[in-house]
Amino acid sequence: EAGVAQSPRYKIIEKRQSVAFWCNPISGHATLYWYQQILGQGPKLLIQFQNNGVVDDSQLPKDRFSAERLKGVDSTLKIQPAKLEDSAVYLCASSITGPNTQYFGPGTRLTVL
Amino acid sequence: GEDVEQSLFLSVREGDSSVINCTYTDSSSTYLYWYKQEPGAGLQLLTYIFSNMDMKQDQRLTVLLNKKDKHLSLRIADTQTGDSAIYFCAEGRSNDYKLSFGAGTTVTVRA
Repeated sequence: EAGVAQSPRYKIIEKRQSVAFWCNPISGHATLYWYQQILGQGPKLLIQFQNNGVVDDSQLPKDRFSAERLKGVDSTLKIQPAKLEDSAVYLCASSITGPNTQYFGPGTRLTVL
Repeated sequence: GEDVEQSLFLSVREGDSSVINCTYTDSSSTYLYWYKQEPGAGLQLLTYIFSNMDMKQDQRLTVLLNKKDKHLSLRIADTQTGDSAIYFCAEGRSNDYKLSFGAGTTVTVRA
């Protein structure tokens, strides 16, 4: 069974630029999560989707971050404009449904200069 | 600060046992997880324990849960160099099933 796929693996941008990350969850997993992991910290949830609907985006900085999961499968996370403090690893995870075990992708390491 | 707390570093000799400790906050947490993260990689699920269990063993891994003290531990028997990584404890809250992670324990295995 293929795992959670993410791209790109690395991205370097300058502050105030825009960036987008892509995630393809495990087939059949209805729930998709985006996490931000700052160096030296554990992952922190940004947004949770159930199929193509948002379950929780309370921790998403909506002035600059947006995410979508239009067809209930793939998802994109966008940052516009980026700030220095957005430098982090962005992890995507999926689960069959809400209360089940989450499986993580390899992450996208973002560096904002 | 983190709701889930872990010690930051652990150094262990190859072949010895490693014990990683974690304290959590939500007494109603349903599941408690251990994830492993190697350099440049995502989080790999190692094991989990349901809150009505005291212990779970899976090959070299033993998880102990003390619900009274809200304490979780992961024991790795016969630690190998490939076990060098960051280990994250996470609690799955019972009301919304979100995961709350600790800051991670960096385990270094020395020869």
